[in-house]
Amino acid sequence: DGGITQSPKYLFRKEGQNVTLSCEQNLNHDAMYWYRQDPGQGLRLIYYSQIVNDFQKGDIAEGYSVSREKKESFPLTVTSAQKNPTAFYLCASSYTITDTQYFGPGTRLTVL
Amino acid sequence: AQKITQTQPGMFVQEKEAVTLDCTYDTSDPSYGLFWYKQPSSGEMIFLIYQGSYDQQNATEGRYSLNFQKARKSANLVISASQLGDSAMYFCAMREGLTGNQFYFGTGTSLTVIP
Repeated sequence: DGGITQSPKYLFRKEGQNVTLSCEQNLNHDAMYWYRQDPGQGLRLIYYSQIVNDFQKGDIAEGYSVSREKKESFPLTVTSAQKNPTAFYLCASSYTITDTQYFGPGTRLTVL
Repeated sequence: AQKITQTQPGMFVQEKEAVTLDCTYDTSDPSYGLFWYKQPSSGEMIFLIYQGSYDQQNATEGRYSLNFQKARKSANLVISASQLGDSAMYFCAMREGLTGNQFYFGTGTSLTVIP
C-alpha cells in the first residue's frame, strides 16, 4: 500500500529534551512538508523540502530542524529551543511543490 | 489580511441533506489552486477536491463539489446526501502562485451530521 506513515502516534517529552518525529512516504513524491496544528486552528507550515538534500523554512521554523537525506524520509526534530512544542504535527508530501498534498496520520506531541 | 477565511466555526446538517461550507480567499496572483480537506477525529487530513484558478468548470468528486466563484473569490464546498461519516472538521486551503511554496489553510469548519 502506498502512503505516508508517521511515528509515533503519541509522544511525550520532558522539557529541555530534543525529540525527533518520523515521516516516511512510498509515493515517490519529490516534495515533503511539516505542519503544526494547535487546537481550534488551521495548519501552519514549519519546513518543506522540494527535493532531496534541500529544504526551506516555513512560517514557524524557529525551534525546529529537519533533514532530507533520502527521498522517502523527512524527519522533524523539535528542539529544546521551541518554546511551546505541545501540538499535533502533520507530515505531507506531493509529487512537486505545486501538486496536491497528501497527509500522514499525524503525531501528537505533549511536553510534560 | 487572511489568505483563507472560513466564517462558519460549526455547522449541523440532517442526514441525507446537502450542506455548503463557505470559503473565501485573498490573492492577487492569477495562478492559484484551491483545496478542501476533511479531518476526522483521528486527525489525518484527507484530500477531497481541487480547483485550479484557470479551470472553467466547477470541480466535482463523487458527493463533493466545489462552487467556484472567481469574481467573488469564493470556493464553497458542497456535500450532497450527507452521511454520518461526514462528521468532521473541513479545511479550505490555497496554493498561491506558480512556485507553489505558499500554501495557506483556513481555520476550519466543524460539520456534524444529525441522524
